[in-house]
Amino acid sequence: KNEVEQSPQNLTAQEGEFITINCSYSVGISALHWLQQHPGGGIVSLFMLSSGKKKHGRLIATINIQEKHSSLHITASHPRDSAVYICAVVRGSQGNLIFGKGTKLSVKP
Amino acid sequence: DTAVSQTPKYLVTQMGNDKSIKCEQNLGHDTMYWYKQDSKKFLKIMFSYNNKELIINETVPNRFSPKSPDKAHLNLHINSLELGDSAVYFCASSQGAGGGYGYTFGSGTRLTVV
Repeated sequence: KNEVEQSPQNLTAQEGEFITINCSYSVGISALHWLQQHPGGGIVSLFMLSSGKKKHGRLIATINIQEKHSSLHITASHPRDSAVYICAVVRGSQGNLIFGKGTKLSVKP
Repeated sequence: DTAVSQTPKYLVTQMGNDKSIKCEQNLGHDTMYWYKQDSKKFLKIMFSYNNKELIINETVPNRFSPKSPDKAHLNLHINSLELGDSAVYFCASSQGAGGGYGYTFGSGTRLTVV
């Protein structure tokens, strides 16, 4: 079993819907990252979390350290949000990122 | 001005050849990484350098050798290429080594071994 599990693996939504992607991990971590990989392949860092909640535009990320769980929410989804969203946790002091398998989001107009 | 640039973007080569991928960052970050994304789109750390010093070396075949001539560059040399090396290789950088900072990724190098 992967140390970082994401759900769902695939998600199709209608434009305007509220979207939630979940990430659970089984190891001790110092931080958790949410990344976005565009259809063209480029990877963008969205959030780095060690506690609580962060918001950037229509994106909100939360983490519960005790439950080893994080969620990424997208409000008022748009077709341009279509991408693969990847959860990655930092284990150890050397910044070793352990990745989930990603959630492929497709937002239909 | 690209923050983390990798060259080449595409690389097609025959089995047994030796090839290099170059990475440069102009962000002033002191830590750089190589990640491999396999055919199932799963990302995995390969190497990490902090201030030109190797700090992470995951179980990667000896045929892969990273080289960091200075803080701004981390190159990846691959000897005796095999079919299984076909993947997308991403370079990234961050301000510190502890993972408590954001990461900036290059656009990736798609390596195809035939």
